[in-house]
Amino acid sequence: GQQLNQSPQSMFIQEGEDVSMNCTSSSIFNTWLWYKQDPGEGPVLLIALYKAGELTSNGRLTAQFGITRKDSFLNISASIPSDVGIYFCAGVAPGAGSYQLTFGKGTKLSVIP
Amino acid sequence: DSGVTQTPKHLITATGQRVTLRCSPRSGDLSVYWYQQSLDQGLQFLIQYYNGEERAKGNILERFSAQQFPDLHSELNLSSLELGDSALYFCASSPYGTGDEQYFGPGTRLTVT
Repeated sequence: GQQLNQSPQSMFIQEGEDVSMNCTSSSIFNTWLWYKQDPGEGPVLLIALYKAGELTSNGRLTAQFGITRKDSFLNISASIPSDVGIYFCAGVAPGAGSYQLTFGKGTKLSVIP
Repeated sequence: DSGVTQTPKHLITATGQRVTLRCSPRSGDLSVYWYQQSLDQGLQFLIQYYNGEERAKGNILERFSAQQFPDLHSELNLSSLELGDSALYFCASSPYGTGDEQYFGPGTRLTVT
């Protein structure tokens, strides 16, 4: 089945710095979604991408759907302490009748005040 | 708050038992998905329903079953529970179930002792 390679696995940054994380796959995806999860909570949808090359922003977050449809990245600008959490990329692969999300393993973000 | 509700929040039970997890999708969403999250496997898709009918199956064990009712709420039944079934179980919903945005509930933490 499809696999998503998400990197980095974890990162420690200073408050105010910009953050970049990405997700790659050997197969194509029709949809890319980025989620943030706090411990013991459900993933919260941050950004959804539906078209190759699409660049979408949500406040300080910006995500792009790679032109090859095999990758996506998420940038967070001017990080703040509440950005701490685990960020997951997820994709929906083409295929009749099956629209489940395939998730990356997550990037754990720590922000040092 | 995503609008997806799940009950119970926590469940502790013994091996060999059977439990039922409940999910109510966002108002207007027709599709429900179930995911399992464990430390070693990450977020894994189990099963999808659309408007009462099963649409796709993922890595769901034969001991597990689900259904979606006419009012669109869904239940996930887990039977003959084993220690390895301990995990967070999430329900997500989307309007059309065709690769559109999925919104996750707060999850049910199942502990099998």
